[in-house]
Amino acid sequence: NAGVTQTPKFQVLKTGQSMTLQCAQDMNHEYMSWYRQDPGMGLRLIHYSVGAGITDQGEVPNGYNVSRSTTEDFPLRLLSAAPSQTSVYFCASSLWGLSSYEQYFGPGTRLTVT
Amino acid sequence: AQSVAQPEDQVNVAEGNPLTVKCTYSVSGNPYLFWYVQYPNRGLQFLLKYITGDNLVKGSYGFEAEFNKSQTSFHLKKPSALVSDSALYFCAVRDYGGATNKLIFGTGTLLAVQP
Repeated sequence: NAGVTQTPKFQVLKTGQSMTLQCAQDMNHEYMSWYRQDPGMGLRLIHYSVGAGITDQGEVPNGYNVSRSTTEDFPLRLLSAAPSQTSVYFCASSLWGLSSYEQYFGPGTRLTVT
Repeated sequence: AQSVAQPEDQVNVAEGNPLTVKCTYSVSGNPYLFWYVQYPNRGLQFLLKYITGDNLVKGSYGFEAEFNKSQTSFHLKKPSALVSDSALYFCAVRDYGGATNKLIFGTGTLLAVQP
């Protein structure tokens, strides 16, 4: 199993540009999520999904869109990049339900917006 | 609202000595607590979790964590530190309410193990 994969690993955008960060998992996990990691702030939840066709907002959703057309893929779209979106982005997946299953994280995408 | 606090930005320990990375929590119900580790330029890796039961939880790489309800703490421990344990450690709590796996993370503690 490849686990959780993310592409690209690095990206530089100009203010106002749009792009999509890709995330895929091959563990048949229902739950997938996107976090951003900023120094001194830990990880903050952007969006999450509990299955194909179902998404919801996390703590910091503004400026980001998601969709979940398949169980495997959960892309994150930046609509109009801003310098405040410079961060490291992590995708994670897990089983879900009333039990607390550990989450598996991808290697991350380091995004710089100039 | 659920939250976790990691009071130390950095912990320094000599190789072979015991280590402790501190975490305190605030939840409105039963806490579901986790520890993750992040090595440089890598994603987070699950170490261990507390759901219910034994207050001493054993995890990966020889780590364990002690759940203390009266002190609302969930400190990560290892009897003998290795240089390879040097990494960023995150405590997390499951966001309570509903069948979701939303996690709330602490700000992280950098563990530096000197040879």
